[in-house]
Amino acid sequence: GAGVSQSPSNKVTEKGKDVELRCDPISGHTALYWYRQSLGQGLEFLIYFQGNSAPDKSGLPSDRFSAERTGGSVSTLTIQRTQQEDSAVYLCASSSSPGAGNQPQHFGDGTRLSIL
Amino acid sequence: DQQVKQNSPSLSVQEGRISILNCDYTNSMFDYFLWYKKYPAEGPTFLISISSIKDKNEDGRFTVFLNKSAKHLSLHIVPSQPGDSAVYFCASNFGNEKLTFGTGTRLTIIP
Repeated sequence: GAGVSQSPSNKVTEKGKDVELRCDPISGHTALYWYRQSLGQGLEFLIYFQGNSAPDKSGLPSDRFSAERTGGSVSTLTIQRTQQEDSAVYLCASSSSPGAGNQPQHFGDGTRLSIL
Repeated sequence: DQQVKQNSPSLSVQEGRISILNCDYTNSMFDYFLWYKKYPAEGPTFLISISSIKDKNEDGRFTVFLNKSAKHLSLHIVPSQPGDSAVYFCASNFGNEKLTFGTGTRLTIIP
């Protein structure tokens, strides 16, 4: 498809396990963003990539969270030693550069992560 | 520190009438404002945006108004249709930066 693709769509795991979430942006989009939406909350920024570098990691909540992007395309968000408060929908978005109001961010359908 | 606020968690409007969704912001550095629509189990879908140098942008049934002095924007949908029932988020950014989202307003269109 032509949109942002995220996998898996759902992930249930036990507390303490590591998880990897994948995002495949729209082809040609150089900017990639990760957000999360916890129950009853708005969307919260996590990290932003321009190409393969991450100029803004300010939203990562702890050092258990990391992300990488390779080849200027696919990105993975890794959460180590998961905690119950990590349960949320993790959303990925991409935009052409420079992303702004006239070149908005386009979102995938997210990964719903549940930590037991 | 909530820089973008949507004070109405829900809104019900009769089909055919105008829906008005409101958003307030505090950061005067924001230079773009966007509205997204979200259905359950789907990602947000971009609707319409406005630059801070404008006060109105229109696209079909959707119009966004920006009042910079009041740090307020609104989305007007007219006429409202059943398919417009969704959660609407306003968001702001500057340059190629992260979006800062409001907490959303659930719009229900009553047939």
